Amino acid sequence: GEDVEQSLFLSVREGDSSVINCTYTDSSSTYLYWYKQEPGAGLQLLTYIFSNMDMKQDQRLTVLLNKKDKHLSLRIADTQTGDSAIYFCTRGGYQKVTFGTGTKLQVIP
Amino acid sequence: DTGVSQDPRHKITKRGQNVTFRCDPISEHNRLYWYRQTLGQGPEFLTYFQNEAQLEKSRLLSDRFSAERPKGSFSTLEIQRTEQGDSAMYLCASSLEVGGLETQYFGPGTRLLVL
Repeated sequence: GEDVEQSLFLSVREGDSSVINCTYTDSSSTYLYWYKQEPGAGLQLLTYIFSNMDMKQDQRLTVLLNKKDKHLSLRIADTQTGDSAIYFCTRGGYQKVTFGTGTKLQVIP
Repeated sequence: DTGVSQDPRHKITKRGQNVTFRCDPISEHNRLYWYRQTLGQGPEFLTYFQNEAQLEKSRLLSDRFSAERPKGSFSTLEIQRTEQGDSAMYLCASSLEVGGLETQYFGPGTRLLVL
């Protein structure tokens, strides 16, 4: 199957770190991606990681990939209210992309 | 060219009417995708084009749905005889593969409400 699973909801206080987790079943993808969707808007690519990497850091974002467990995580440091959105992890990007239901991040001021 | 654009942004129609949506991709991108997103769900793949060729269609794409990309640039998605269950956000994305990395850039979506 091509399932991607994420927890539905995460609430954090402003300034804390957020960790959004994702598990996937298809390990054939070369890249894995994180997208952000703000209310009523399209999806915005946040970052991606090559499947041969374990970690990628991009400013406040850190992506960790555990290929053995098929687990991907996105850590947002110093979470801001502007980070409130739905976050989707996806695998592939070649031809069709499979999305899960996403994780809704709520940042409490 | 600042990104993928979609038109209209919102559409309200009565059940049974036909609607057509347009997507203008990033100009150098050869792949174009259509997705449908309902409330509380992630986007679901509908179809994709490489240049003007439609290479894959989801089983979600019933006979009432048709998509075209006649010149390999913009694309249209038409829904005939709309049903209330067609109410959703329709997202378009375009991409260009470089060295195995294919990043899809999404448009703002067209929100359809069928009354």
